[in-house]
Amino acid sequence: GQNIDQPTEMTATEGAIVQINCTYQTSGFNGLFWYQQHAGEAPTFLSYNVLDGLEEKGRFSSFLSRSKGYSYLLLKELQMKDSASYLCAVIDSNYQLIWGAGTKLIIKP
Amino acid sequence: IAGITQAPTSQILAAGRRMTLRCTQDMRHNAMYWYRQDLGLGLRLIHYSNTAGTTGKGEVPDGYSVSRANTDDFPLTLASAVPSQTSVYFCASSAGDNSYNEQFFGPGTRLTVL
Repeated sequence: GQNIDQPTEMTATEGAIVQINCTYQTSGFNGLFWYQQHAGEAPTFLSYNVLDGLEEKGRFSSFLSRSKGYSYLLLKELQMKDSASYLCAVIDSNYQLIWGAGTKLIIKP
Repeated sequence: IAGITQAPTSQILAAGRRMTLRCTQDMRHNAMYWYRQDLGLGLRLIHYSNTAGTTGKGEVPDGYSVSRANTDDFPLTLASAVPSQTSVYFCASSAGDNSYNEQFFGPGTRLTVL
């Protein structure tokens, strides 16, 4: 079966750094997305990784290791507005997008 | 319109009733998708359309139908609603007809079937 694992919930402090992990077991791999979803709102695109390594985009970075079936999203200088769910999604060998259940990130002052 | 819109925002529906959720995008995207999102589960694909005039089944298509008469509109119909279809429904679109493209999501429809 296909599976994407993310922690259900994480808590971090404003101004700090947090790493949200995503591990996947899918039938093939053709890329990985991270989306942000604020409560009651639609998901919005954050990043896309297809090659190993780190992609940096402002305060957010995304890392991929295809050999380990592993990715993480790194959020720096956390702000209260970063309180949201973070969704990991993998493109499998059939080019279908498989979604994780998401990680709810709570930022405390 | 800017982006992708859905209607209604929310709906309470009696079991057995027919319901159509509307989705419209103005980005001229080829591909459109319908997902449902339930607590503790990832987004699950119901149906998709790679281009106007074509549709395909996703992971959970039973009880739902779609049509794609033109580029902009992609309605989702529940022929006879059941309580297990209580969920938040998201419509999305992407520029290309493959999974590599970023998907843009509508604001969602919260549906309750009693």
